[in-house]
Amino acid sequence: TQLLEQSPQFLSIQEGENLTVYCNSSSVFSSLQWYRQEPGEGPVLLVTVVTGGEVKKLKRLTFQFGDARKDSSLHITAAQPGDTGLYLCAGKTSYDKVIFGPGTSLSVIP
Amino acid sequence: EAGVAQSPRYKIIEKRQSVAFWCNPISGHATLYWYQQILGQGPKLLIQFQNNGVVDDSQLPKDRFSAERLKGVDSTLKIQPAKLEDSAVYLCASSRGLGNYEQYFGPGTRLTVT
Repeated sequence: TQLLEQSPQFLSIQEGENLTVYCNSSSVFSSLQWYRQEPGEGPVLLVTVVTGGEVKKLKRLTFQFGDARKDSSLHITAAQPGDTGLYLCAGKTSYDKVIFGPGTSLSVIP
Repeated sequence: EAGVAQSPRYKIIEKRQSVAFWCNPISGHATLYWYQQILGQGPKLLIQFQNNGVVDDSQLPKDRFSAERLKGVDSTLKIQPAKLEDSAVYLCASSRGLGNYEQYFGPGTRLTVT
């Protein structure tokens, strides 16, 4: 069974701080996605990474896919209260199945 | 472009009762997904449709859960009878097709079983 682990589970930081959250697995994924989910809403896709070692930037967010395509990280620079939410990683297996991690709950305090 | 619609948004039932959820995907999206998200966990795929055919239902508890997408557009998910552990948010998502396509999620239905 392929599993995704995310760390930390909870993160509370002050506005303006930097942070990194991690997504790890013992399995290889053909692609990996990061979503943000706000309370009472469904997840919204932030980025898809496909190539091992790939780095993508989305404004203050930097996403990296591990060389072996088993792990990924999300780095947020100068966090803002609007970044508050549940960050989910989701890996797509070679069988085209999408598996979600348990998420990192981020709270950015003004 | 309208997003994925789900109803109801909230439902409270007693255990052993039945419940049904409805999902209308984005127009033209061939693939439809139903996920279960228990509090504190990530979404777990219950069933995936490609048009009106089932692609994956390996994690659907078929003794109590059923889903259909008869005309390849909207879909219903039913639980009969419900158990306490079915309390969760049920998310519907759609995408243009199989492959590396973005999934668009609806707001979900929060089910509480008492």
